[in-house]
Amino acid sequence: GNSVTQMEGPVTLSEEAFLTINCTYTATGYPSLFWYVQYPGEGLQLLLKATKADDKGSNKGFEATYRKETTSFHLEKGSVQVSDSAVYFCALSGSNYQLIWGAGTKLIIKP
Amino acid sequence: NAGVTQTPKFRILKIGQSMTLQCTQDMNHNYMYWYRQDPGMGLKLIYYSVGAGITDKGEVPNGYNVSRSTTEDFPLRLELAAPSQTSVYFCASSPTRTENTGELFFGEGSRLTVL
Repeated sequence: GNSVTQMEGPVTLSEEAFLTINCTYTATGYPSLFWYVQYPGEGLQLLLKATKADDKGSNKGFEATYRKETTSFHLEKGSVQVSDSAVYFCALSGSNYQLIWGAGTKLIIKP
Repeated sequence: NAGVTQTPKFRILKIGQSMTLQCTQDMNHNYMYWYRQDPGMGLKLIYYSVGAGITDKGEVPNGYNVSRSTTEDFPLRLELAAPSQTSVYFCASSPTRTENTGELFFGEGSRLTVL
């Protein structure tokens, strides 16, 4: 069945460092891919998405490219800030109203 | 700016007790969902609703019930609580089918512990 695997956290970086959070998936067909973010004390919110192979989603300085050949959708940001500290979830579109979720990766940015 | 509101945020239950997690949205969304998140795991869909009066089971419905009498409200009922239901519960809504856009609007979550 469909599944999503994310790198385990926490990921701890210094401010202005380069960020990569790995996400790989297994799926039949051509799912859409998503990154959600959960800031402390808040609900999850959609960060970016890509709906077909080679699409690049971007928002708030974050980017992720839909790589069908490597079944990956890694999240990147060139220079992280303390305010980026959050839990990041990778997900793909399943069937029957479902999204298939990764376990989440906690990101800690130190000043 | 209410969006999706869940109550309570925290609750401790004894085995065998029952309770209802409340969820209300003010965005007039037709689609609503209940997810649970266990430590180190992704979110799992418990129940969903495509409109008032219509509900259906998700991936992990056992031990739960839902109702959708209005567009705004989608309460989740736990009957005979068990330790396996210790989890964080998220309510979400969307204006369209989730798998098409992926755009879900989430509440802040309810942390439930069953002892």
